[in-house]
Amino acid sequence: GAVVSQHPSRVICKSGTSVKIECRSLDFQATTMFWYRQFPKQSLMLMATSNEGSKATYEQGVEKDKFLINHASLTLSTLTVTSAHPEDSSFYICSARDPVAKNIQYFGAGTRLSVL
Amino acid sequence: AQKITQTQPGMFVQEKEAVTLDCTYDTSDPSYGLFWYKQPSSGEMIFLIYQGSYDQQNATEGRYSLNFQKARKSANLVISASQLGDSAMYFCAMRGLNTGGFKTIFGAGTRLFVKA
Repeated sequence: GAVVSQHPSRVICKSGTSVKIECRSLDFQATTMFWYRQFPKQSLMLMATSNEGSKATYEQGVEKDKFLINHASLTLSTLTVTSAHPEDSSFYICSARDPVAKNIQYFGAGTRLSVL
Repeated sequence: AQKITQTQPGMFVQEKEAVTLDCTYDTSDPSYGLFWYKQPSSGEMIFLIYQGSYDQQNATEGRYSLNFQKARKSANLVISASQLGDSAMYFCAMRGLNTGGFKTIFGAGTRLFVKA
């Protein structure tokens, strides 16, 4: 079964609203989680690394005020897309490494965001 | 800099036959891990198989095997006895294993079509 849970799987929102996406590691504690964005027919693009108890590390070109990340516990990281615009419509997918299982990176099922 | 190359945008295979998906990589880091993920149309990234750079034997997981040729810097995925459910996008990935090692990078992906 899934070891990383991501919710919601799909969200449709109006422009200007904020959307929160949750990512949970189910069977292990993850001090680090990762947030990716995937455009249609393209590979995954790392947005940021979420660190438990400290600030997230954002990749170059990713607006930290736009994509707020909170890693409040060892099993939960959240990504909030603030003041969403149609160009934020995309597939967002989170990931966490299992420190016991060779640090293999497991992924959530993804969230498809559509901003109207 | 690290790089992953998947040269096959699309591949066709007849059901029950074997298929090889190519992956070459480049890194100067001596300690790295190689991964293959499957992404069906639902979007979920499913971990398939892992190979460490120091592993002596090629990794196998059920119908999946990784043909690791370190000198050639290739890590091809072999799927035996293809099934219709294998139709999906497949991504090769790599990351540094040492503390502070490079983050996971992904190839462009190969779309596999299994024909009945």
